[in-house]
Amino acid sequence: QVRLQESGPGLVKPSQTLSLTCTVSGGSISSAGYYWSWIRQHPGKGLEWIAYIYYSGSTYYNPSLKSRVTISVDTSKNQFSLKLSSVTAADTAVYYCARVWGQRIDYWGQGTLVTVSS
Amino acid sequence: SYELTQPPSVSVSPGQTASITCSGDKLGDKFACWYQQKPGQSPVLVIYQDNKRPSGIPERFSGSNSGNTATLTISGTQAMDEADYYCQAWDSSIVVFGGGTKLTVL
Repeated sequence: QVRLQESGPGLVKPSQTLSLTCTVSGGSISSAGYYWSWIRQHPGKGLEWIAYIYYSGSTYYNPSLKSRVTISVDTSKNQFSLKLSSVTAADTAVYYCARVWGQRIDYWGQGTLVTVSS
Repeated sequence: SYELTQPPSVSVSPGQTASITCSGDKLGDKFACWYQQKPGQSPVLVIYQDNKRPSGIPERFSGSNSGNTATLTISGTQAMDEADYYCQAWDSSIVVFGGGTKLTVL
């Protein structure tokens, strides 16, 4: 059973960079055909896709966030990460990491709330 | 940019059939997925590739996709099905979610 676990600061100051890591267990992040994604959900709102990455390093970004987002993968640690720069209160959300396979998102982490506040 | 539109809310009586729609330009030419999210929980995939159910998802969940509309159907709706439901599709290599539908079972 694949499990994904987000980790990182729960509080980030405005204008700083939000950094989160997702640790994958129960399977290899380097397995062919799987992509690894970040998705967020503003409080009381819907889901917003942020980015996804293949183990080889190929990346895909939400055009509306692309200028501020970097997704990366560390196959040696079976982890992938998210960096979101120049954050504002509008970036306060629950951030999920997830696995994408065959055009579906089949495994999700439990989510981590990140609050942007001074 | 590609958009998917869902009704904000749908109500259904226990035991009846609930239908949740998702509209997008030529959505029928793409594969649609559906996710269920209960309060305080992560989303769960309930339908993929328009009409396939992942292991462990009850048979009462079904899906269809044609023209500009994908539909999630829950037959014999149970109280435990009360949740938010999100459709999702791909526009080239971009993931797109619908705005979500709150299903109330009353």
